[in-house]
Amino acid sequence: AQSVTQPDIHITVSEGASLELRCNYSYGATPYLFWYVQSPGQGLQLLLKYFSGDTLVQGIKGFEAEFKRSQSSFNLRKPSVHWSDAAEYFCAVGAQTGNQFYFGTGTSLTVIP
Amino acid sequence: KAGVTQTPRYLIKTRGQQVTLSCSPISGHRSVSWYQQTPGQGLQFLFEYFSETQRNKGNFPGRFSGRQFSNSRSEMNVSTLELGDSALYLCASSWRQGDYNEQFFGPGTRLTVL
Repeated sequence: AQSVTQPDIHITVSEGASLELRCNYSYGATPYLFWYVQSPGQGLQLLLKYFSGDTLVQGIKGFEAEFKRSQSSFNLRKPSVHWSDAAEYFCAVGAQTGNQFYFGTGTSLTVIP
Repeated sequence: KAGVTQTPRYLIKTRGQQVTLSCSPISGHRSVSWYQQTPGQGLQFLFEYFSETQRNKGNFPGRFSGRQFSNSRSEMNVSTLELGDSALYLCASSWRQGDYNEQFFGPGTRLTVL
């Protein structure tokens, strides 16, 4: 069965520290992978996506993610976190055909000064 | 280009009532999908409409229904509200039917059921 696991429900980091949010997926075919961010009271904003090619993907707001097929992972990273990065982050997997989409349960990020 | 808009942004209802939420997609987008977001269940797919027809449906009871108009605007209706229906309801639009890889999300409607 298809699924997305975000093992960390909540993460707290200091401003300026590096960040890594974990995402593992289970999918029978080649997955399309996404990271979304949701600020309080807002909808989902796409940070980055991976369809094919270079396994290191650059996104908006200084985020990047690396696709590791052998580990079924698509972890999100940022070298230096800003207070405005405090939000909920969702990993998602989609089908190449575009007609299936599964979200992880999200990781809540707190940034302390 | 304007993004996906949802109205109202906040709603308070009581158990047993019904509610209608509205979603206007990005201009030119013909597909509208609806999601329910709760702390316990995360984001769950409700249904998708394309060309005024429901094309895909998640695992929700029949109390949840929707429709789409000729201008691609969509409404979602929940009848006989239950406390567990309290959630953020998100809609997303895309140009092609069933293309969830290219969907854009609205800000959501926060429904509270008392």
